[in-house]
Amino acid sequence: QVQLVQSGAEVKKPGASVTVSCQASGYTFSDYYLHWVRQAPGQGLEWMGWINPNTGYTNYAQKFQGRVTMTGDTSISTAYIELSRLTSDDTAVYYCAKDLRGVADWFGPWGQGTLVTVSS
Amino acid sequence: EIVLTQTPAILSLSPGERATLSCRASQSVSRYLAWYQQKPGQAPRLLIYDASNRATGIPARFSGSGSGTDFTLTISSLEPEDFAVYYCQHRNNWPTFGPGTKVDIK
Repeated sequence: QVQLVQSGAEVKKPGASVTVSCQASGYTFSDYYLHWVRQAPGQGLEWMGWINPNTGYTNYAQKFQGRVTMTGDTSISTAYIELSRLTSDDTAVYYCAKDLRGVADWFGPWGQGTLVTVSS
Repeated sequence: EIVLTQTPAILSLSPGERATLSCRASQSVSRYLAWYQQKPGQAPRLLIYDASNRATGIPARFSGSGSGTDFTLTISSLEPEDFAVYYCQHRNNWPTFGPGTKVDIK
């Protein structure tokens, strides 16, 4: 079955960068866009962007442009998100989610989430 | 940017009751709307996409309707495992989510 397994929790200082990974299995990784969504503590869901693992093409939410980089490694079916210049507002659970039908579609299934805590 | 509004914010019901959740878009999204369920400490799960299509493995008690700006998620008879937060989402170049409706036990 389709499964997305994310890397473990991170604690970072303000101004640092963080990289979260998402390893996919159960489907052809390069055939489906991969989305990243975050959720601050007690808050709602915020879409950050997607990557086409086949081409490397990305589409970032305007809020994160210049600060986020999404990449993929098809040889190991793994996607990455790097977020730089962290502030306390970036404390959140970061989720990856497979595109439902391939091309900037709905999100499903999701990884288990990675908690990123930004604290001095 | 399309803004999604969900009502009510909290819905208190008993098991076996019918739940009706609403999502309104600030401009037409045609039928490009989905619903997700999230339980505490878990990732969201896709329930409904394209306004009315149930995702794989989703029970028939969940149904979606609507088009344009007004959408509804209905749970025909609440099971204990259905008490959760529900988000609507539209898709275009920059997908956004509604703020969520919490369905809790009365």
